[in-house]
Amino acid sequence: EDKVVQSPLSLVVHEGDTVTLNCSYEVTNFRSLLWYKQEKKAPTFLFMLTSSGIEKKSGRLSSILDKKELFSILNITATQTGDSAIYLCAVSFGGATNKLIFGTGTLLAVQP
Amino acid sequence: GAVVSQHPSRVICKSGTSVKIECRSLDFQATTMFWYRQFPKQSLMLMATSNEGSKATYEQGVEKDKFLINHASLTLSTLTVTSAHPEDSSFYICSARVIGEQYFGPGTRLTVT
Repeated sequence: EDKVVQSPLSLVVHEGDTVTLNCSYEVTNFRSLLWYKQEKKAPTFLFMLTSSGIEKKSGRLSSILDKKELFSILNITATQTGDSAIYLCAVSFGGATNKLIFGTGTLLAVQP
Repeated sequence: GAVVSQHPSRVICKSGTSVKIECRSLDFQATTMFWYRQFPKQSLMLMATSNEGSKATYEQGVEKDKFLINHASLTLSTLTVTSAHPEDSSFYICSARVIGEQYFGPGTRLTVT
């Protein structure tokens, strides 16, 4: 069965802390792994990873994929209260349809 | 970036009625759109894949007669929740695929009373 698992399910930190969110997957015909941030509405795109070992960065956020061990991490440094959100990991797989399967999500709360 | 809209953003309906939700790609054409539902504090669950000009492909456990999907044009897909019940209350989100990435609509909050 194809699945994506995220950990931890929830996390509470203080402003300035660094956090690492985890995503592991088991799918057939892996294509890419995507990270999204969801606040009150629909998810907003953060990163798409297709190759192992190549870090992607955007400001204080970075992510890397390990296709051998089938996982990815999302790092957020110097966290701010605006980083509070649900972080979703999704894997694109399969044939032409290229559908996504989402992980359970990690609820991050950053306290002042 | 690509923009996807949904309408309505919020709807309240009575049990037994049907509700139609629209998903539009505003500045691009999408041959494939996806419909998800999300319960509170849970992740997105793929309901179906909507293909322009052909029947939708439903995920296991999703009733195709209850959740009718129509993808009549390259910019519009609709989801109709038929004979809605309170347990259908959820957040419904559509997305459109563009060159390997998916762009999400803002979602529709459905409440069935």
